[in-house]
Amino acid sequence: AQSVTQPDIHITVSEGASLELRCNYSYGATPYLFWYVQSPGQGLQLLLKYFSGDTLVQGIKGFEAEFKRSQSSFNLRKPSVHWSDAAEYFCAVGAGNTDKLIFGTGTRLQVFP
Amino acid sequence: EAGVAQSPRYKIIEKRQSVAFWCNPISGHATLYWYQQILGQGPKLLIQFQNNGVVDDSQLPKDRFSAERLKGVDSTLKIQPAKLEDSAVYLCASSLGTGHRSSYEQYFGPGTRLTVT
Repeated sequence: AQSVTQPDIHITVSEGASLELRCNYSYGATPYLFWYVQSPGQGLQLLLKYFSGDTLVQGIKGFEAEFKRSQSSFNLRKPSVHWSDAAEYFCAVGAGNTDKLIFGTGTRLQVFP
Repeated sequence: EAGVAQSPRYKIIEKRQSVAFWCNPISGHATLYWYQQILGQGPKLLIQFQNNGVVDDSQLPKDRFSAERLKGVDSTLKIQPAKLEDSAVYLCASSLGTGHRSSYEQYFGPGTRLTVT
């Protein structure tokens, strides 16, 4: 069965520091992978997606993610974090042929000035 | 382009009462999803519609939860009777549903925060 693991429940970084949020997936075929961000009291917003091709994908708000098949990972990165990036981040994998997404448990990002 | 609309945004009820949530997806999106997000967890799919037909409701507690999508546009999710463990955010999402990989790209509404006391 498909699954997504986000090992870090909570991460704290200083504003201006670099960021990497980890995501590992379990899926038998080539996965479709997504990162979503959820600000307090808001729904989920799509940051970026990977379907195929170039393994480094660019998203909105200066985020990027790299698909590594050998490590079953799809880690999210940002070179310099802004205070407004404080939010909950969810990794998701597209499952089967039913347009269904399986979400990880999320990583809460806290940014200190 | 208008996003996914949900109402109400907040609801507080007592256990054993009933409650209903409404969702209007993005215009032209054939697929509609209802998720339950318990505090500290990722969204869990409750039910998925393709137009007005159910694609997946394997995680829907059918003894108390029901959902419908009449006319293949907006949708209603109902809980009757509610339990304390139903306290969560209920998210609605929609996608094109064309069968192409872009159908996996889901757009979420702001959610309804339900508190059962």
